[in-house]
Parts: sequence; structure tokens; C-alpha cells
Amino acid sequence: SQKIEQNSEALNIQEGKTATLTCNYTNYSPAYLQWYRQDPGRGPVFLLLIRENEKEKRKERLKVTFDTTLKQSLFHITASQPADSATYLCAPDTGRRALTFGSGTRLQVQP
Amino acid sequence: EAQVTQNPRYLITVTGKKLTVTCSQNMNHEYMSWYRQDPGLGLRQIYYSMNVEVTDKGDVPEGYKVSRKEKRNFPLILESPSPNQTSLYFCASRPGAGESYGYTFGSGTRLTVV
Repeated sequence: SQKIEQNSEALNIQEGKTATLTCNYTNYSPAYLQWYRQDPGRGPVFLLLIRENEKEKRKERLKVTFDTTLKQSLFHITASQPADSATYLCAPDTGRRALTFGSGTRLQVQP
Repeated sequence: EAQVTQNPRYLITVTGKKLTVTCSQNMNHEYMSWYRQDPGLGLRQIYYSMNVEVTDKGDVPEGYKVSRKEKRNFPLILESPSPNQTSLYFCASRPGAGESYGYTFGSGTRLTVV
């Protein structure tokens, strides 16, 4: 069955450092991969999507990579700030039906 | 403002009393979907709709119904709620199929069934 794995343990980093979050998937052949941010009790907010033919995508301090051979996406936040503290969800997307999300990784940026 | 509106935000109900959670979007999106979120289980898809009068089951459809009579509305119906349906519910929409688009999520409905 299809499976999406994100590190369930919280990631704690110091302000100013780069945070790297991992999303692995199995039994999928997604053409795209999406990343979302979710704050406690709030709906997820779409951040970025990357296509299978794109190795890397950037948006301001965010960078996403997508390796279809490894079946993995990495999500980087450079120069992290306490305001970046949240849970980050990945969602491999075949483009044909509604999204299935990973369970998310909680990021805590310490001042 | 482009948004997905869910109502109510909070709801406490008793077992067996039928309820409806409304969802409306003002972006002319084709895709709409309902998710529930529980601690340790993440977001799980209940039902989704690819367009008016087209709905399909997600991963956890038991105990829920949906309808899509108009493009903008996608209500979630619990005919006979049970305590295991206590959860945080999200409605989401996106433009359509054939390309990948980010979802716009509603603010959520926290449902407690006692």
C-alpha cells in the first residue's frame, strides 16, 4: 500500500540555522510533491510544489528537492526564525485524485 | 478574499443526532475534499469531489456522507455520529485535475461527540 514517511520526532534547531525535513514515500509514482505548513488547531497552508522533472525549487528562504529515484523530497528552511516553528506536511501528488498527506514533522526554532 | 469557509468552528453533539458541517469556497474550484485530523494519525481523507455530482470515497469514509449539488458547496453529513468521530475536520479545495495545485484549507471544525 502507499506510504508516506516523515520524521515523527520534533526537529529542534537554533535560530539562523538551516532546517532540513525529509519526506519518503513508497508504492507511489507521484508527478508532483507538495509541502504545507500547519500551526496548532489551524488548517494547513500550501507552501510549495515541485514537479518530477524539477530537481530543485526555491521560494524565498524555502528550498525543496525531489528525487524520484530515491522516492524522497527534502524541505529546507534557511536562516530559520522562531516564527518558522510549526508542523510541516508533505503530500506526494499523482494529479489524478485528492491528496494524501504525511503525518508531518514538527519544527521548533529556538531563539 | 479567496477562501474556504467551514461552519461551525466548534460543535458538541450527542451520539446519534444527525449533523451537517458546511463547506463553501469562492474560488470556482472543481476539487473539494474533506479530511479529519487526529493526534498521531495525521490528516486522513474522508471523501472528495472532482466536480458537481461527482464524489468518491477517501481512506476513512465510514459513517460519513457528502453531496456536491453546486460547485461552491460540499457539506459533510454525519447521519448518526458516534464518539469515534470526535475529531478536527478540514475542508479543502483546489482548482482541478490534470495538474498539481495547492489546496486551500478551511479553518477547521472541532467536533466532539458525547
